[in-house]
Order: sequence, then structure tokens, then C-alpha cells
Amino acid sequence: RKEVEQDPGPFNVPEGATVAFNCTYSNSASQSFFWYRQDCRKEPKLLMSVYSSGNEDGRFTAQLNRASQYISLLIRDSKLSDSATYLCVVNIRAGNNRKLIWGLGTSLAVNP
Amino acid sequence: GAGVSQSPSNKVTEKGKDVELRCDPISGHTALYWYRQSLGQGLEFLIYFQGNSAPDKSGLPSDRFSAERTGGSVSTLTIQRTQQEDSAVYLCASSLALGGGGGWAGVSYEQYFGPGTRLTVT
Repeated sequence: RKEVEQDPGPFNVPEGATVAFNCTYSNSASQSFFWYRQDCRKEPKLLMSVYSSGNEDGRFTAQLNRASQYISLLIRDSKLSDSATYLCVVNIRAGNNRKLIWGLGTSLAVNP
Repeated sequence: GAGVSQSPSNKVTEKGKDVELRCDPISGHTALYWYRQSLGQGLEFLIYFQGNSAPDKSGLPSDRFSAERTGGSVSTLTIQRTQQEDSAVYLCASSLALGGGGGWAGVSYEQYFGPGTRLTVT
């Protein structure tokens, strides 16, 4: 099983829709979580950090479920500009160090 | 303030040549990461630095790849005897910390990426 797994999509939704992605992780020692977005042929950019049960920023809500070992990203009232790939990142303990494990991303296309 | 910068932005080289890619992290960021991304693929971790040392080099694909960081700032990734399969976008990121041991609360691991170097090996 991969350490971080995401549904690759693509998710095709109309403008104004609400869409949610899940990201599952296998290491129960995972400490913190991040969502990044990556536009086509651009570098990833931090969208949200999740250190406790969740985080909300405008139309974006991230929730953490430690019991089931997944984090979700909810986008409300989606805009055309939300079209991108959404990458899940998990910070895990590896021995005496930490590692950041990246998912392969979920592709979102918001259509007019 | 200035973000992460990388140079060159594009590099075309012939198979067998050596290339050097440069990354200038955000000032004060102690952790620096190198990734590569092939077209349509996910991020592939290569190496990270904490200060000038590299605790994790596990992602370097072969001994043709090496990286160094001096003065806790600029890093260079060197690829010797380039092969066509080395063609990719090489991304550098920096963050405030990637701490060891316990007690991570309050420490940021949020990474800030540079625009990448697109390497094409012909």
C-alpha cells in the first residue's frame, strides 16, 4: 500500500458545485498534513496546512480523520480558476527524523 | 520578500554532458528540497538538506546525481553524463524547518517552491 494515496480523477464539475477529495495515509505516526495546488506546467503552491482536526479558508475546508487515516479537501462554490491538480502531503516520523510524503495528486476541472 | 529562485529556467543539453542546476532558497529557510517531475507525473523526491547536511539522499536515482549546499543557503544539483531519461522539470523548495525527534508543534514544514528548471536531454 502506498504511504499516501489519492484518487487521480479527473473530477469534472460545473461552476458553483461543491467538490471533495480524499487523501488516505498509511502511517499512523503522521503528524501534519498539507494540501498544495499545482497548475499545469507550474510549481506546486501551498493551499492549506492541517495540524489538528481541520482548517478552513474561505471556500476551502480541510478535515482530518485520524481514526480512518484520511484527510479531505472540500471546495465550495467552485470557480473556473480552481481547475488544477491538488496534491496531498503528509509529514511522518521516520526514525529520528521526519519525512514529507507526497501524493500523486487529484485533477480537478471546473467547467463553465 | 523574494521567493525561491532557480536557474537556469530552461536547459537543453546533449546526452553525456554534465549539467548543474542552482537553487536559491528563501532567506532564513534552513531546509531545502530537490524534486523532479516528469510530464504528467507526480513529484519525485530526490534529496533534502537541513542546513548544509543532507540527512536523506534516498531519492537520488543514481550515482550520476549529486547535490551540495554551502553556507546554509544556495544549493546545486549536478547531473553527470546526462541521459534522455533525466529530462524533467527539477523543482527546488525550501521551508523553515524539518525537525528531528519529538516535539514538532509550532514548527512549520510548509514548503515554498521555485519555478523549476526544465531540463531536456537530446
